[in-house]
Amino acid sequence: AQKITQTQPGMFVQEKEAVTLDCTYDTSDQSYGLFWYKQPSSGEMIFLIYQGSYDEQNATEGRYSLNFQKARKSANLVISASQLGDSAMYFCAMREGPRSSARQLTFGSGTQLTVLP
Amino acid sequence: GAGVSQSPSNKVTEKGKDVELRCDPISGHTALYWYRQSLGQGLEFLIYFQGNSAPDKSGLPSDRFSAERTGGSVSTLTIQRTQQEDSAVYLCASSFRAPGQGDEQYFGPGTRLTVT
Repeated sequence: AQKITQTQPGMFVQEKEAVTLDCTYDTSDQSYGLFWYKQPSSGEMIFLIYQGSYDEQNATEGRYSLNFQKARKSANLVISASQLGDSAMYFCAMREGPRSSARQLTFGSGTQLTVLP
Repeated sequence: GAGVSQSPSNKVTEKGKDVELRCDPISGHTALYWYRQSLGQGLEFLIYFQGNSAPDKSGLPSDRFSAERTGGSVSTLTIQRTQQEDSAVYLCASSFRAPGQGDEQYFGPGTRLTVT
């Protein structure tokens, strides 16, 4: 079974609107972390936001927020007030085990976001 | 401060040759990871090093792949007898594990390997 599922291969959003990128995960660990990364066409992987499995509040970082629904095993990324520079591939990833374990990430297949002017 | 650096940025090699890819992590980061990104397979974990512990090699696809990390810093990924299916972008990342600190991984720009 896929550990990280991103069901939207491509998404379009109008500039200045909000967009939600979906991510569901599968793990039997109680302690885990969820990450979102952005990969522009230049190829670099840019860390955006992190949510721990025991965090009660949804994570926020500027225009990025993570809609964490633990019972549904979903960790959707919300980008508010989209900008043209947000056009990129977005990856959801999971680290199984506690934060202190610093284990490897398992990535989803990604969502290509295009922001329209 | 300086981010993760990788060299070379591009490498073209003939099938059957050996290649070495280098990663210089962020100074002070204790953990170092290698991933590869190819069109058909997405991002795959290869190997990771954490401090002085034995590396986790569980993602290496074959015994042609090996990696070492010298002095807890620079790492080299070696692919022996390269095959065309080894063509991919090889990404290195590092993270800092300390109490109360996050473990987000910071990625280098990658090495694009093409095996002809």
